[in-house]
Amino acid sequence: DTGVSQNPRHKITKRGQNVTFRCDPISEHNRLYWYRQTLGQGPEFLTYFQNEAQLEKSRLLSDRFSAERPKGSFSTLEIQRTEQGDSAMYLCASSPGLGLDTQYFGPGTRLTVL
Amino acid sequence: QKEVEQDPGPLSVPEGAIVSLNCTYSNSAFQYFMWYRQYSRKGPELLMYTYSSGNKEDGRFTAQVDKSSKYISLFIRDSQPSDSATYLCAMSGTTSGTYKYIFGTGTRLKVLA
Repeated sequence: DTGVSQNPRHKITKRGQNVTFRCDPISEHNRLYWYRQTLGQGPEFLTYFQNEAQLEKSRLLSDRFSAERPKGSFSTLEIQRTEQGDSAMYLCASSPGLGLDTQYFGPGTRLTVL
Repeated sequence: QKEVEQDPGPLSVPEGAIVSLNCTYSNSAFQYFMWYRQYSRKGPELLMYTYSSGNKEDGRFTAQVDKSSKYISLFIRDSQPSDSATYLCAMSGTTSGTYKYIFGTGTRLKVLA
């Protein structure tokens, strides 16, 4: 399968714990995006990378959130000191990186903070 | 006011009906328009994309963009129970060099057999 993959698919954690999610984009896609989706809402942009450079971060991405894309391949999204309000689906997408282009989404990681 | 407005539904139709799904937007800088389908607890799946005003057809799906009215539509012909899902519109523009998508809330569609 050559689509976007995300791990884990589900994560249950207690409030105050740290969690880390991984995204593997489609091979040779230069751009990688993170979105968050809560129940009944569309995905909301968090951040994106062009190769290894993080070019934009939403104000939704508080200081407790950090994302990396070392070597321009896979990416990780870490949430420190999780809060119940962090419970959501975290979606990763990738695109070729040519102007306005099409983003392909992974299956998402569903986070539940107890 | 949200940049992209979409009726959340739910929308229930009988099998075989023509479905019309719509989004309005306020940002005239949007240039790229997408429709995604999302099944429950899954990631969004791309259905259609278009850069320009007018119609684009792909099988049973037709995407329509009217930039003068800031209005986009997705039509599904001969709807099937397997089309039951949430349909998300998404938009993007590059006036500030950003490539992020702005999504509507999604419309829940149920096609009854």
